[in-house]
Amino acid sequence: AQSVTQPDIHITVSEGASLELRCNYSYGATPYLFWYVQSPGQGLQLLLKYFSGDTLVQGIKGFEAEFKRSQSSFNLRKPSVHWSDAAEYFCAVVRTGRRALTFGSGTRLQVQP
Amino acid sequence: DGGITQSPKYLFRKEGQNVTLSCEQNLNHDAMYWYRQDPGQGLRLIYYSQIVNDFQKGDIAEGYSVSREKKESFPLTVTSAQKNPTAFYLCASSLQGTASSGANVLTFGAGSRLTVL
Repeated sequence: AQSVTQPDIHITVSEGASLELRCNYSYGATPYLFWYVQSPGQGLQLLLKYFSGDTLVQGIKGFEAEFKRSQSSFNLRKPSVHWSDAAEYFCAVVRTGRRALTFGSGTRLQVQP
Repeated sequence: DGGITQSPKYLFRKEGQNVTLSCEQNLNHDAMYWYRQDPGQGLRLIYYSQIVNDFQKGDIAEGYSVSREKKESFPLTVTSAQKNPTAFYLCASSLQGTASSGANVLTFGAGSRLTVL
């Protein structure tokens, strides 16, 4: 079965530091991969997506992610974190036979001043 | 502005009662989805609909029901058969078609928080 794993439940970084959030997937074919962000008590906003082509994708708010087929990973990165980036981040993959996304369990990011 | 409206934002229910969560979109999207969110478990798919008058069960459909009588609306009923309904419920929609046309890119509502008393 397809699945998405986010190994880090909670990450704390200092403002201005770099960030990398991990995402691993199990999938039998070329996946469609997504990163979403959720502020407390709110819906989810799309940060970026990967369907094909260039394995380094740029998103909104200065985020980027790199698809690595050999590692089955789609890690999210940001070179310099801002206090407003504190939120929960979800990796997702399109599930075979369905049009709906399967989400990871999320990583909560805390930003220290 | 186009978007998804979920109501109510907060809802309290007594055990044994059915409740219906509303989801309306004006994005002209064909597909709509309901997800349930619990702390530490991410989002789990309840039901989804790709076209009016048709819908499919997701991973945790037991105790829930939906209807899709209009393209814009996809209400979710949490029935008394749902053993642990306290959660945050998210509705989403997307285009149909190919990935390059925007299919699979979900737009989410702000959510409805259901608490069983």
